[in-house]
Amino acid sequence: GAGVSQTPSNKVTEKGKYVELRCDPISGHTALYWYRQSLGQGPEFLIYFQGTGAADDSGLPNDRFFAVRPEGSVSTLKIQRTERGDSAVYLCASSLVLAGGPGELFFGEGSRLTVL
Amino acid sequence: KQEVTQIPAALSVPEGENLVLNCSFTDSAIYNLQWFRQDPGKGLTSLLLIQSSQREQTSGRLNASLDKSSGRSTLYIAASQPGDSATYLCAVPPIRGAQKLVFGQGTRLTINP
Repeated sequence: GAGVSQTPSNKVTEKGKYVELRCDPISGHTALYWYRQSLGQGPEFLIYFQGTGAADDSGLPNDRFFAVRPEGSVSTLKIQRTERGDSAVYLCASSLVLAGGPGELFFGEGSRLTVL
Repeated sequence: KQEVTQIPAALSVPEGENLVLNCSFTDSAIYNLQWFRQDPGKGLTSLLLIQSSQREQTSGRLNASLDKSSGRSTLYIAASQPGDSATYLCAVPPIRGAQKLVFGQGTRLTINP
């Protein structure tokens, strides 16, 4: 596709359930990022992939959060035993990789997660 | 620890005015700085990226400047239009070489017709 695609756009789940959020980046973008945004705040970094590997997962809040990118394209963010505090918009972005720092980031529309 | 601050948090101006949005960051050893726009309920749209070696970048009615030594960037919007109403966010890497970004909280801009 032309842009970054995220599914689902909205997800309502019950506390304790397992959730998967999917991101399809721009074709050819090696770098893929997951961010989380709460209402009225800027996005907060969760994890960065370069190719298939998680190059930086320092933003994952705890071991209930996990992300994969098995073929270096589509990525899935997985949240186990969801808690009400996990409610937020989960944003995916992709970019080209630059030697010294981040390239221009292109974001998807986000997946809004609500944990009841 | 890199911290990004955007002031004001909200701004409302009449259509046609020129305006400036401010962004400050605490660690000046940045690789680049990015400005984004976010419409309600939507993702972020990249507006401008300024490399650390540049002092400004322009795109249409938007002009972004960067003063690394003082840890500041401004986004200038000329001849504002109601369609410019959105939240504007700036972001920088936390340390040199990092691929991730630290975002400010944004400035919510309203242009009144």
